Amino acid sequence: AQSVTQLDSHVSVSEGTPVLLRCNYSSSYSPSLFWYVQHPNKGLQLLLKYTSAATLVKGINGFEAEFKKSETSFHLTKPSAHMSDAAEYFCVVSALSSGSARQLTFGSGTQLTVLP
Amino acid sequence: DTAVSQTPKYLVTQMGNDKSIKCEQNLGHDTMYWYKQDSKKFLKIMFSYNNKELIINETVPNRFSPKSPDKAHLNLHINSLELGDSAVYFCASSFDRGYEQYFGPGTRLTVT
Repeated sequence: AQSVTQLDSHVSVSEGTPVLLRCNYSSSYSPSLFWYVQHPNKGLQLLLKYTSAATLVKGINGFEAEFKKSETSFHLTKPSAHMSDAAEYFCVVSALSSGSARQLTFGSGTQLTVLP
Repeated sequence: DTAVSQTPKYLVTQMGNDKSIKCEQNLGHDTMYWYKQDSKKFLKIMFSYNNKELIINETVPNRFSPKSPDKAHLNLHINSLELGDSAVYFCASSFDRGYEQYFGPGTRLTVT
């Protein structure tokens, strides 16, 4: 079984300050991990993915995430927030299920607000 | 070129009606999905098809029926629409199960 927990349902930062969106996962097998972003009235867009290569993953729009196996975490960060970063962010884990098929599990989302 | 497209973008209808949402992907992917997103942004997977075969069928009322005429298309038909069906429905596709998914723009369904 696998699960993903996004520790904050809402995060608010000022423009130009760092962003940290927290994600913890559990998985019986080696997971792949993703972050998606959803802007208002839009579909989900893949920000970045971890698939057992480098533990620090760089994505689009200046975001990055670090896979920490010992902490079962995959937190999303950005050094300096921009107004256009205001959106909903989803952490997603993919791992082998008991039926030997990989399946994605979505977190409940974190709403990021960027204040001027 | 739109990778995953859905039609219509908005759908307003009355209770008891039957409606369909269409999805097409031009990524050459083998797996397609339907998700329902509620007002709190929670995403729930409804169906998944791999090479035109149903592989995931979560607890969804049997009023919802997916149809996959070919690998590039996955349509969603809903019978006897209810108020609780109001939501945004997303189609997605991936190379295979467990790989990153690419999402369509969504269809906002409003049942009155």
